[in-house]
Amino acid sequence: AQSVTQPDIHITVSEGASLELRCNYSYGATPYLFWYVQSPGQGLQLLLKYFSGDTLVQGIKGFEAEFKRSQSSFNLRKPSVHWSDAAEYFCAVGAGAGKSTFGDGTTLTVKP
Amino acid sequence: NAGVTQTPKFRVLKTGQSMTLLCAQDMNHEYMYWYRQDPGMGLRLIHYSVGEGTTAKGEVPDGYNVSRLKKQNFLLGLESAAPSQTSVYFCASSGSRSSYNEQFFGPGTRLTVL
Repeated sequence: AQSVTQPDIHITVSEGASLELRCNYSYGATPYLFWYVQSPGQGLQLLLKYFSGDTLVQGIKGFEAEFKRSQSSFNLRKPSVHWSDAAEYFCAVGAGAGKSTFGDGTTLTVKP
Repeated sequence: NAGVTQTPKFRVLKTGQSMTLLCAQDMNHEYMYWYRQDPGMGLRLIHYSVGEGTTAKGEVPDGYNVSRLKKQNFLLGLESAAPSQTSVYFCASSGSRSSYNEQFFGPGTRLTVL
């Protein structure tokens, strides 16, 4: 069965610093991978997705993610974090029949 | 377009009471989903639907029922609420069964069962 692990429950970075959120997946075939962001009191919004082709994918709000098959990873990055990026971030893998399996999430705090 | 909307936004129930959560989408999506979100546990799929008139069980279906009588609506019912069902409930929709199609989420319903 597919699974997603986000090793970091909580990350704190200073505004303007770079960010990397880790995601590891387990899936038997070519994975379809997603990163979502959830602002407080809101639903989830898609940041980016990967299903084939270039291993570096660009998303909204200046985020990017790199797919590494050898490491079963799909880490999310941003070169310079803004205070408005404080939120919870979820990695997900497509699980067939339109379903997705979500990780437990990483909460990002941004220090001024 | 309103996207995915959920009604109500907040609700407090007593143990044993029943209620229905309504999800509506205006994107003509085939697939709809109900998740619950609990601290430190991510999103867990309760039930989902692959089209009007069809429903299927997800990861944590016990204690919940669903119906999809109209394509745009997906209802989640709690027949006899329990404190363990205190959670935030999210509805989502997707355009097709392809695993690479993103899901669009509603704003959530915060349910407390006393």
